[in-house]
Amino acid sequence: QSVLTQPPSVSGAPGQRVTISCTGSSSNIGAGYDVHWYQQLPGTAPKLLIYGNSNRPSGVPDRFSGSKSGTSASLAISGLQAEDEADYYCQSYDSSLSGYWVFGGGTKLTVL
Amino acid sequence: QITLKESGPTLVKPTQTLTLTCTFSGFSLSTSGVGVGWIRQPPGKALEWLALIYWDDDKRYSPSLKSRLTITKDTSKNQVVLTMTNMDPVDTATYYCAHRKTGNEWYYWGQGTLVTVSS
Repeated sequence: QSVLTQPPSVSGAPGQRVTISCTGSSSNIGAGYDVHWYQQLPGTAPKLLIYGNSNRPSGVPDRFSGSKSGTSASLAISGLQAEDEADYYCQSYDSSLSGYWVFGGGTKLTVL
Repeated sequence: QITLKESGPTLVKPTQTLTLTCTFSGFSLSTSGVGVGWIRQPPGKALEWLALIYWDDDKRYSPSLKSRLTITKDTSKNQVVLTMTNMDPVDTATYYCAHRKTGNEWYYWGQGTLVTVSS
């Protein structure tokens, strides 16, 4: 049971826009801690996709965007491409139990 | 260019202690704000944060695994070592080390090393 809740799967056709939600609580996202997103292609290490709720590291296409509101955050992917098929994880920090880093359960994106 | 690489045994027996080494380059663990952490991922499952060591030797551990984990650093060798005691088959996972720059995100990741716990 992950501290942050994500839908297990989402799908979309090439060119479409999809969103992935990440729901937390008052001790993590709701407490003001930033949300970060990672993309994990099959058989590879996670790659930072969005940091600080909405910032993209150098090299990440602007098709990827992030937002945060209250105890939730969202990752949006527009102009869906076949190479976007991957697992996506949200991550934040939780202030309970002396503080620790928390991840979502992951969302599998299928490009139809 | 920042790189990290994990090394250690691929197979450990139940009850044994696992020792993993993260060897990094492109940054110094003596720079203020910098940290190196460990994150694992059981096959087909989600990511789980394990531990973090800061530049000033402050250490943080996952509450659920704290009693079994120890993280240390050797700044001169650019290495961070994680030990996990009393290994169990449920600890079978790919173990990643990752770089913390300034925020709470994991900016750079190693390639990961798969550790199987089996007798």
